[in-house]
Amino acid sequence: ELKVEQNPLFLSMQEGKNYTIYCNYSTTSDRLYWYRQDPGKSLESLFVLLSNGAVKQEGRLMASLDTKARLSTLHITAAVHDLSATYFCAVDPYNFNKFYFGSGTKLNVKP
Amino acid sequence: DSGVTQTPKHLITATGQRVTLRCSPRSGDLSVYWYQQSLDQGLQFLIQYYNGEERAKGNILERFSAQQFPDLHSELNLSSLELGDSALYFCASSPRDSPYEQYFGPGTRLTVT
Repeated sequence: ELKVEQNPLFLSMQEGKNYTIYCNYSTTSDRLYWYRQDPGKSLESLFVLLSNGAVKQEGRLMASLDTKARLSTLHITAAVHDLSATYFCAVDPYNFNKFYFGSGTKLNVKP
Repeated sequence: DSGVTQTPKHLITATGQRVTLRCSPRSGDLSVYWYQQSLDQGLQFLIQYYNGEERAKGNILERFSAQQFPDLHSELNLSSLELGDSALYFCASSPRDSPYEQYFGPGTRLTVT
């Protein structure tokens, strides 16, 4: 059974600090997606990583993909309160447009 | 506002009933995806349509069905509803020139009592 594991599941951090969220998956996939969900809201697509070594950055968030290690990271630099949300990763193994999601990481950035 | 619309916003119904959720993709987008989000199961991909044709199927129950119409709007039909079907149902659409991007609708919250 395919597993997508995120850790940590909960993350409370101070503004200005750096941290990394990890997404491990159990089968070969060279497509990895990151999404953000604010409380009570819908999902927002953040990054799409399509090959080994792919790195994408947007503001204080940077995502990377290591397909050999079956690992993606979402790095937060100098966190601000506005980044408080739940972050999900998803994989699309076999490139069939079938998505498997992690459980989400709930991030709380304290002012 | 992503440009994807979903109706209704909220739906409360009884076990055993049937409901239809509607999604209109962004103008020009041919792909529509359906997802279910519940406390028990987390986020699950249900099904994808591209220009009227089923493209990919995920963890969609046999009691559920979907279709995409010629005007590209999509409907998700849920029948013989059970308490466990209570969830948020999202649809998303993708642009032709950037098929890996997804724009999500606001969701329909279904409560089965």
